[in-house]
Order: sequence, then structure tokens, then C-alpha cells
Amino acid sequence: ILNVEQSPQSLHVQEGDSTNFTCSFPSSNFYALHWYRWETAKSPEALFVMTLNGDEKKKGRISATLNTKEGYSYLYIKGSQPEDSATYLCASYDGSSNTGKLIFGQGTTLQVKP
Amino acid sequence: EPEVTQTPSHQVTQMGQEVILRCVPISNHLYFYWYRQILGQKVEFLVSFYNNEISEKSEIFDDQFSVERPDGSNFTLKIRSTKLEDSAMYFCASRLSGTSGTEQYFGPGTRLTVT
Repeated sequence: ILNVEQSPQSLHVQEGDSTNFTCSFPSSNFYALHWYRWETAKSPEALFVMTLNGDEKKKGRISATLNTKEGYSYLYIKGSQPEDSATYLCASYDGSSNTGKLIFGQGTTLQVKP
Repeated sequence: EPEVTQTPSHQVTQMGQEVILRCVPISNHLYFYWYRQILGQKVEFLVSFYNNEISEKSEIFDDQFSVERPDGSNFTLKIRSTKLEDSAMYFCASRLSGTSGTEQYFGPGTRLTVT
């Protein structure tokens, strides 16, 4: 059974701090890793889809890296702002069934204090 | 920008009642999903739907659950006789193609409360 874990569960930082969190997934039969940003009462927003080992993607102050051999991905936020406060979800594409279902981690909730 | 929409945003129902959760996926997407998140737990897969039929369902998706795409735009999840443990946030999602690198777009969710 595909199991995805995220750490830490929650994080409190000051405005301007840079931060990072981790997503761990099984390295065997890897297909793709998705990162989402989810604010309460809004749709989870797709940040990145990563497929290749060594991939690094960037969107503004947010970037992500992928290591498929050891089964982890890091999400970095440079110079955190209060509007970055959200829950960040990662999800691994479950290729065993080829239906596209995603297996989610428990999320990391980030609070950025002004 | 196209988006997935869901209605209602919050539904309160009594145990044993039927509920229908509605979703409008992005119009040219071909693959549709329902997920749910019980408070404090991970988002979990319920069912996938492609080519007008269920392509996969989880163990949670028992005979009390059904999905339909009645008119080519709406995608509904019906729970025939709700239980207390069905209380959760239900998300609809859609994607354009079947490749693993394709983004999956989520709606804002329907919070279902069963009393």
C-alpha cells in the first residue's frame, strides 16, 4: 500500500523567514509527485507536478525538489509572507491502477506571523 | 481561469438520510474523482470515473455510495443512507489526460455533517 508522509505537521514562522518541509513516499514504482497549497474554504491549488529524479521547480518564492531514488521531496518558501499561511499537501500518483488516483500525505500547516 | 466548482459548500443532514453532492468539473476534462477528508485525517481517494463508468473505487466506496455524470457537465456523488462516520469534507477533482504528470484540479469541497 502506497504511504505518503509529511513533516512537520505544523510550522510557525515569522514574516521574512525561509522555511522548508518534507514529503516522503515509496521510491519503488514512482510515477509523479503533486504539491498543493490549500487555504480554508478554497480549492487546493496545484503548485507543482514533479516526475523526474533531480527535478527542481519554482513558482515565485516557492520551489520544490525531487529525489525519487530515496523517496522524498522538499518544498521551500523563501522570505515567508502572511499570505503563505496555508496547508501544503503532497500526493503521490498511484500507478498500480493507472486510474490517476492520488495518495495524500497528512499535510503541513504553515502559519506566518507578521 | 477554468475551475472545478462544488455545491453546496456545507450540508447538514440527519443519519439515514440521502445526500447528493454536486460538482462541475473543468469542461474539457475527461477523468473525474471524489476524495474525502475526515477531520484530522489524510485526504483519501473514494472513486475515479472515466468514459461514463467507474474506473476504480476504494474500500470506503461501498453500496451506499454512487456516482453519476448525468448530463455531460455535472458529476454527482450520492450517499444513500448517511452514517455519522460519513461526516467529512468531500472534494471533487478532474484532469484532462491520463498521463501521470497531468495536474489534477480540485474543487473547494463540500463539508458534510451528519447528525
